[in-house]
Formats: sequence, C-alpha cells, structure tokens
Amino acid sequence: QKEVEQDPGPLSVPEGAIVSLNCTYSNSAFQYFMWYRQYSRKGPELLMYTYSSGNKEDGRFTAQVDKSSKYISLFIRDSQPSDSATYLCAMSASNTDKLIFGTGTRLQVFP
Amino acid sequence: DARVTQTPRHKVTEMGQEVTMRCQPILGHNTVFWYRQTMMQGLELLAYFRNRAPLDDSGMPKDRFSAEMPDATLATLKIQPSEPRDSAVYFCASGLGEGAYCEQYFGPGTRLTVT
Repeated sequence: QKEVEQDPGPLSVPEGAIVSLNCTYSNSAFQYFMWYRQYSRKGPELLMYTYSSGNKEDGRFTAQVDKSSKYISLFIRDSQPSDSATYLCAMSASNTDKLIFGTGTRLQVFP
Repeated sequence: DARVTQTPRHKVTEMGQEVTMRCQPILGHNTVFWYRQTMMQGLELLAYFRNRAPLDDSGMPKDRFSAEMPDATLATLKIQPSEPRDSAVYFCASGLGEGAYCEQYFGPGTRLTVT
C-alpha cells in the first residue's frame, strides 16, 4: 500500500461546477500538505500549501486537511476550462523536506 | 522571471548508452531535488542536495544512477548504462530550505526514451 493514495480519475465536469479532489495517507507524521497543478508536458506548480489541520482559501481554491481521518481535499469553485490539468497532492513530515506525492488526478473542465 | 531550467528537454537513446541530464536551479536556492515521473509510479524522489551536499539518494538505483552538483548553478543526473525501464520524465526542482518544509519550484522536465 502506498503512503499517499489518490484517485487517478479522469474527472470530467462542466464549466462552473464545483470540483472536489481528495487524497488519503497513512503516515501520521505528515504535517505539511500541498496541492500541485501540472499541465500537460509541464512541470508541477505549487497551488496551495497547508500546515497541520484546517482550511485554507485562495480565490476559487480551498484546501482542507483532516488529520484525524488522514484525508485532504482540494475544492475548486466555478471551475474553468483553464483548470483542466492533473492535480497532485503532496505531503511531508516536519523533520524533512522530502515530499511524498500522490499519483495525481486528471481533471477536465468542458465548456 | 526566475525559473528552473533543464536540458535537454527530450532525449532518445539506445539501451546501454550514457545519459546526462542538467539542471540550473533558481539563483539563491540552496536545495535541489531530482524526481522521476511515470504513469505507473507517479512522481518519485530520486535524490536531493542542500548547499551542494547530497542529503538523500535512497530513491536512486545506485548501480546505474549518479547525481552531482559541481557548483551552485548546476546539478546533473547521469544514467550509465541506460535501460528501457528508465524511460520517464525527469524533473529537477529547487527551493530555499532549512530542514523543514521547503517550497519546491519545478523545471519543465527532461523526457527520456530508452529504446
């Protein structure tokens, strides 16, 4: 079993929909939680970063961390075709900067 | 616009050949990471350096892979001899880290195909 599990999708939604992307993990030492967006044939880029539990909002994006359930989520409101990409969750423990990535969820937003 | 650069962007080679990939981290960043991305395994950390010193290379097959930082502006990843299973996209990332969370900025990747 992988330390970080992520549904690969693909997830196909109409423009304007609310998208929910999720990851589960097994290592209770993880303290830093990130979401990266990767467009086709590009490198991943950091979208959101959260430390420990709680919510964080940035524009149309909201990241949630539930450490008791070992579950993290990324919500995208009013999704746009430009949001079509692969979304990777990543996490690390507090005593290291090694990131463990999920395999990514491919999202397609159609007009 | 500071960004990580990687060369070459694409490489096709025959099994048994040596492959060298290069990365120029963002100026001022002290930490450099090498990742490999495949459809099956996703993004896997191969090795990383802080202040040019190797911190962890446990993800790297030691018999054929080697990573170095000859100076602060250049990181290299070498495969010798290459095998078809090494076909993947190799990413370099850099960041400013001190042992806890280090925000990582990724390069565009080197797409390697070994035939």
